[in-house]
Amino acid sequence: DSGVTQTPKHLITATGQRVTLRCSPRSGDLSVYWYQQSLDQGLQFLIQYYNGEERAKGNILERFSAQQFPDLHSELNLSSLELGDSALYFCASSVGSDQETQYFGPGTRLLVL
Amino acid sequence: GENVEQHPSTLSVQEGDSAVIKCTYSDSASNYFPWYKQELGKGPQLIIDIRSNVGEKKDQRIAVTLNKTAKHFSLHITETQPEDSAVYFCAASLNYGGSQGNLIFGKGTKLSVKP
Repeated sequence: DSGVTQTPKHLITATGQRVTLRCSPRSGDLSVYWYQQSLDQGLQFLIQYYNGEERAKGNILERFSAQQFPDLHSELNLSSLELGDSALYFCASSVGSDQETQYFGPGTRLLVL
Repeated sequence: GENVEQHPSTLSVQEGDSAVIKCTYSDSASNYFPWYKQELGKGPQLIIDIRSNVGEKKDQRIAVTLNKTAKHFSLHITETQPEDSAVYFCAASLNYGGSQGNLIFGKGTKLSVKP
């Protein structure tokens, strides 16, 4: 158990809908990262927050957004969902913001029908 | 941007044999290289990492080597056991611009250890 929690574990929804994925980092960690894992693209970095501020941005679609709250938990919002958004979404956390060891959560499996 | 290539995509070994997984990266500014193990239905778990000021690091049956000149790094698992069966990912991290923290992953290697 990495200490990173993610909810929900599974999510099934329809195209065009909007969903919110939630992540709680390990106690004491200030950085949260979001990754998408799909069969064709592998593990891809989406976005990083550090202590409430956006720190780095990767291949995140404009339909996706994230935020980190004062209690350091983070939410990833996915809107106007398409079939191709079906994937595993992982959250990771680290103590600092730069090249720190990242601990991954168990993931949220999203299926868009 | 950074690109990480990982080989082989699948690897099958007999219990007790060694396994080697190799990765190459493209950006010479990368200086942090972690390895993750992912079991079915779980998130990636860090097993070992190495920074660019070190050429080799060992932790019991697992070792990682780094050749910065050639821009490649490798994972070595000795005395493999059936519980080592999983997908292994290498990753690289840059340290400039807005990319100080995020990891660029290889495509993964599915390791099967046969009893």
